[in-house]
Amino acid sequence: DTGVSQDPRHKITKRGQNVTFRCDPISEHNRLYWYRQTLGQGPEFLTYFQNEAQLEKSRLLSDRFSAERPKGSFSTLEIQRTEQGDSAMYLCASSLAGTGSIGYTFGSGTRLTVV
Amino acid sequence: TQLLEQSPQFLSIQEGENLTVYCNSSSVFSSLQWYRQEPGEGPVLLVTVVTGGEVKKLKRLTFQFGDARKDSSLHITAAQPGDTGLYLCAGASQAGGFKTIFGAGTRLFVKA
Repeated sequence: DTGVSQDPRHKITKRGQNVTFRCDPISEHNRLYWYRQTLGQGPEFLTYFQNEAQLEKSRLLSDRFSAERPKGSFSTLEIQRTEQGDSAMYLCASSLAGTGSIGYTFGSGTRLTVV
Repeated sequence: TQLLEQSPQFLSIQEGENLTVYCNSSSVFSSLQWYRQEPGEGPVLLVTVVTGGEVKKLKRLTFQFGDARKDSSLHITAAQPGDTGLYLCAGASQAGGFKTIFGAGTRLFVKA
């Protein structure tokens, strides 16, 4: 297993454009998490899935953000009508249900820059 | 709202020195984790502590969970340049739905 993979690693987009990020978790992990990290801060929780079900969404996740995990494997995070404030590192992590409190395996992240 | 406060925010030391970083909260956590993050990469899990008063050692790193499970510390002995990075504490609790929340981190720079 190659761990958690995120694509792309970097994305520069113009304000108002839509962007989509992909996360491939560790294959046997049924939980998948999305976090956002801005400069000088720790990761902030956005949302998580157990299998294909989205179980919780943060209030940070505005209507412009949507996440899916259609087959319970990979996940996508889409941001519509990007704003400069969306510039951040978007991190994906995975775990087995019931073991999340033991720790997550994170991907390398997607760094989004909105210009 | 659960919060994890880390101190100091930034630490610059010479190779060979010892250091301690702290992670504090007013909330009780079922577990606390420490991660290290390098620039442009995701956090990497170092250790998880789950029992109040627990001490874990990982080579030159010693992690302690407070008796009341509200705080934790990370002590590094004889720091090396390779220890440079952002150290994040993170906690999970039943009250938080067991999703993990993170502190803002301590940025450590070890000079050769």
